[in-house]
Amino acid sequence: DVKVTQSSRYLVKRTGEKVFLECVQDMDHENMFWYRQDPGLGLRLIYFSYDVKMKEKGDIPEGYSVSREKKERFSLILESASTNQTSMYLCASSFYGNQPQHFGDGTRLSIL
Amino acid sequence: QKEVEQDPGPLSVPEGAIVSLNCTYSNSAFQYFMWYRQYSRKGPELLMYTYSSGNKEDGRFTAQVDKSSKYISLFIRDSQPSDSATYLCAMSSLIQGAQKLVFGQGTRLTINP
Repeated sequence: DVKVTQSSRYLVKRTGEKVFLECVQDMDHENMFWYRQDPGLGLRLIYFSYDVKMKEKGDIPEGYSVSREKKERFSLILESASTNQTSMYLCASSFYGNQPQHFGDGTRLSIL
Repeated sequence: QKEVEQDPGPLSVPEGAIVSLNCTYSNSAFQYFMWYRQYSRKGPELLMYTYSSGNKEDGRFTAQVDKSSKYISLFIRDSQPSDSATYLCAMSSLIQGAQKLVFGQGTRLTINP
C-alpha cells in the first residue's frame, strides 16, 4: 500500500512566521505535489516536483516555496505566513507519467 | 468559467439507492479522468481512473466518460451508509512527465440508513 505521510495533522502559527510543512512517501515515486483545499474552491495545486531538486509552479504559488533534497521528502515553506494561508494542505505523490496520485491525510494549518 | 464544474450538493439519498455524480469540463487537452472519495478529516482516496470514453466498472462503482460531450459520471449501486463522503472528480494533462490535476469542487454525499 502506498503511504504518504504528512508530519502534522494540525498546526497553529502566527502571522509573519516561517512555516515548514513536511511530506514523506515510501513508494519511490518520482513526482510529488502540494495542494491546498478550501471550501467552495476545491483542491488547487501550489507546487509540484518531478525529480529531486526539480520543481514547477502550480496554479497558486505566490507566498510559497518548496524544497526536495531527497526523493522521498517534499517540503512546503510559507516564507512569511499570512491569515489568508489558513487552509487544509494536502501532499500527494505518483510515479512518472500518467500514473495516479496518492494523497496524505492533510495538515490543517491555522494562521493567527 | 471554471475548467471543471461539479455540483457541490449536498446530496442525500436512502440506503440502497443508485447514486449519480457528474462533472463537466471545458479543456479538450484533459487525457485522464479520476474519481476520488474523501472522508471527513482524511485525504482523498482514488476510486476510479479512466482514459477512454465509455464505462469502467469496479464492484458497485461505475465510471462513465463522454469525451465528445466533455462529461463524466460516477454511479454507485446499492449505496451504503459507509459511502457517505465527499466525491471529487479530477482530470489531468501531462506537464514535465507529471500529471497536473484539475479538481471539481466535490459533491458531499450522505446515505441515510
